Amino acid sequence: AQSVTQPDIHITVSEGASLELRCNYSYGATPYLFWYVQSPGQGLQLLLKYFSGDTLVQGIKGFEAEFKRSQSSFNLRKPSVHWSDAAEYFCAVAPYNTDKLIFGTGTRLQVFP
Amino acid sequence: DAGVTQSPTHLIKTRGQQVTLRCSPISGHKSVSWYQQVLGQGPQFIFQYYEKEERGRGNFPDRFSARQFPNYSSELNVNALLLGDSALYLCASSRGETESTDTQYFGPGTRLTVL
Repeated sequence: AQSVTQPDIHITVSEGASLELRCNYSYGATPYLFWYVQSPGQGLQLLLKYFSGDTLVQGIKGFEAEFKRSQSSFNLRKPSVHWSDAAEYFCAVAPYNTDKLIFGTGTRLQVFP
Repeated sequence: DAGVTQSPTHLIKTRGQQVTLRCSPISGHKSVSWYQQVLGQGPQFIFQYYEKEERGRGNFPDRFSARQFPNYSSELNVNALLLGDSALYLCASSRGETESTDTQYFGPGTRLTVL
């Protein structure tokens, strides 16, 4: 069965520091991978997605993610975090030819000034 | 362009009651999906509809049902509410024109509290 694991429940960084949020997936074929961000009480906003091609994908708000097939990972990175990046981040996988998203449990990011 | 809209924003019900949640997709999107997000968890897939037909169903009891209208808007119905149904219900839309994976765009959600 497909699944997504986000090992870090809560991460705290200082403003201006770099950030990496981990995501590991379990899926037999080439996955479609997504990162979404959710601010408190809000819906989900798409940060970036990987369908095929270049394994380093760029997203909005200065985020990027790298697909590593050998490690079954799709980690999210940002070189310099802003206080407004504090939110919950969800990694998701969609099985081939479906729109059904399977989400991880999320990583809560806290940013200190 | 307007994004995905959902109504109501918040809802309070008591156990055993029934609730209807509504969703309007992005203009031009023909597919609507519903997700349940319990506090502290990631969203869980409930249903997907495309062209008024059910395209996918998650592992939820028959108390949950949905439908899609000719204008592609959708309703999610939950009967015989349980305390455990308290959650944020998210609607997502996508173009859905082919049987392939498409990006889904989410609405702000409806917060349901069951007392």
